[in-house]
Amino acid sequence: ETGVTQSPTHLIKTRGQQVTLRCSSQSGHNTVSWYQQALGQGPQFIFQYYREEENGRGNFPPRFSGLQFPNYSSELNVNALELDDSALYLCASSSGGAETNSPLHFGNGTRLTVT
Amino acid sequence: GQSLEQPSEVTAVEGAIVQINCTYQTSGFYGLSWYQQHDGGAPTFLSYNALDGLEETGRFSSFLSRSDSYGYLLLQELQMKDSASYFCAVRRTGRRALTFGSGTRLQVQP
Repeated sequence: ETGVTQSPTHLIKTRGQQVTLRCSSQSGHNTVSWYQQALGQGPQFIFQYYREEENGRGNFPPRFSGLQFPNYSSELNVNALELDDSALYLCASSSGGAETNSPLHFGNGTRLTVT
Repeated sequence: GQSLEQPSEVTAVEGAIVQINCTYQTSGFYGLSWYQQHDGGAPTFLSYNALDGLEETGRFSSFLSRSDSYGYLLLQELQMKDSASYFCAVRRTGRRALTFGSGTRLQVQP
């Protein structure tokens, strides 16, 4: 069973640039969510995708957007990067659909640094 | 609103028992989850309490009391590899998001 994989592991961008982060869900999982984790804090929910549609969103501006593909892999796009976007971005997959209480399976994350 | 409060740091010695508390202020949620995260690693699921009471999984146990807005994670027979951050989390009724506490950093000393 392949776990959740994310790429790249580390990324350095300049303020104002755009970034795309990628995630492959765990085999058999149909729901993917993205979280932002600042240093020393708990993960903060960005959004969730199920059946290729966003079906839940946290308190993040529209410049944070995403996609889910038919194979359940996903992308997180962030436009007009700001210094405060520097964080660990975690992708998590789960089974059972949008309303599930199944545990989240996290990837190791992408460490984004904005200078 | 919603918030989950955890102690920021706990220190214990190998072989000891440690309890990490989580108090919350939220109305209506499905259950209380616990995740472990080693430095530089992914959060990994430990336990889930849908109902009040104690859930035991090996050396780890978790407890929930909805009437007291309180839960805890109990780690027994501590090992050095248990040094990590531990997060409690809830999903509010009707919401997609899992809301995490700010985490408790556990240091296990020899």
